[in-house]
Amino acid sequence: AQKITQTQPGMFVQEKEAVTLDCTYDTSDPSYGLFWYKQPSSGEMIFLIYQGSYDQQNATEGRYSLNFQKARKSANLVISASQLGDSAMYFCAMRHGFQKLVFGTGTRLLVSP
Amino acid sequence: EAGVTQFPSHSVIEKGQTVTLRCDPISGHDNLYWYRRVMGKEIKFLLHFVKESKQDESGMPNNRFLAERTGGTYSTLKVQPAELEDSGVYFCASSQVKGRLSEQYFGPGTRLTVT
Repeated sequence: AQKITQTQPGMFVQEKEAVTLDCTYDTSDPSYGLFWYKQPSSGEMIFLIYQGSYDQQNATEGRYSLNFQKARKSANLVISASQLGDSAMYFCAMRHGFQKLVFGTGTRLLVSP
Repeated sequence: EAGVTQFPSHSVIEKGQTVTLRCDPISGHDNLYWYRRVMGKEIKFLLHFVKESKQDESGMPNNRFLAERTGGTYSTLKVQPAELEDSGVYFCASSQVKGRLSEQYFGPGTRLTVT
């Protein structure tokens, strides 16, 4: 069965510091995609970054990078130089092909000045 | 290019009433997905359309929920009769068929409150 686990219900970080949000996954399918979404207080879901299971390099998108450790089945999100606007819920998700996204329970990140 | 839109943004109804949520996907996106987040829990999949056909409706909680996508454009999700546990945020997402990433673009969600 496909499952995403996010063990950190809440994280705190100071502005300009880096933070790592944990995500582990479980699947028996060798082909899958891993996603991170941000949900600010306004409610919309914002796509941040994607990692394919066959990608050799870790994905990066600006201040976001995905620390992909396939053998450990982990896909942690690293946010460098945190900003106040990064305060939000962050969801890790997995997908096979064009199928549904399977989400974790989310991590609430609070960035303090 | 317009994003995924959902209507209404908020809905407050009484138990036993009917509510219909609407989703307009990005133009040209054949895949359309419905998800729901109940307060404090993870976002859960409800169903997936490819054009007007239901590809996967394994996440639909029960037969009080009816989703349609006539003509393969917009989709509606009707809840009839609504129960208290149906409260939550209903998200719609769409994606193109082709492309390696095929990112799902989410709408802003409809917050449903059943009292």
